Amino acid sequence: QLVLTQSPSASASLGASVNLTCTLSSGHSIYDIAWLQQQPQKGPRYLMRLNSDGRHIKGDGIPDRFSGSSSGAERYLAISSLQSDDEADYYCHTWGTGPRVVFGGGTRLTVL
Amino acid sequence: QVQLVESGGGVVQPGGSLRLSCAASGFTFSSYGMHWVRQAPGRGLEWVALISYDGSKQYYADSVKGRLTISRDYSKNSVFLQMNSLRAEDTAVYYCAKDQGQYQLLLDYWGQGTLVTVSS
Repeated sequence: QLVLTQSPSASASLGASVNLTCTLSSGHSIYDIAWLQQQPQKGPRYLMRLNSDGRHIKGDGIPDRFSGSSSGAERYLAISSLQSDDEADYYCHTWGTGPRVVFGGGTRLTVL
Repeated sequence: QVQLVESGGGVVQPGGSLRLSCAASGFTFSSYGMHWVRQAPGRGLEWVALISYDGSKQYYADSVKGRLTISRDYSKNSVFLQMNSLRAEDTAVYYCAKDQGQYQLLLDYWGQGTLVTVSS
């Protein structure tokens, strides 16, 4: 079964860097994912598509501070030079035949 | 730029009906699949439905199959979600989202959402 697993919360200081992780279920380690950002009381915003090689294609207007990488079944979102408006929920999202559209449970990032 | 604007949410009694609308602009509407995704209060995202770029195929989450119907109108650049036999567990913010392709299943633009509350 295609499942994405995320830690519920993360925190980092203003100006620091943080890595968020999304783990694909067994047997699905080659799947592409997308990272989404949801600021409070807003709709999600597409950040990037990330493949198993770590190649990522960012959405319109996404700053260089956001980058992605991969290792096995893990997909990472790195955010550098943290700003206050990076405080948000971050979701990973993937898809498969069926069709199936799947979301991870989300990670709430707190900027200290 | 791409814009998706949802409307039609509100309070409805269990067993009632509601029709959500999503007005799309800034892209060639007829070339892309469109989705509805919902988010219950304090919860994560749940995919609800997909309509293909040409309107010929519709797909639904098991939780809504037989009760919710997705459709689109090319003359109005709009996608709709007809919601019947509503239950308390359908209470959520409903987002309209654009597919990255005709049927790619990657959702690359989202609206701001419309709140549906099912309560007596």
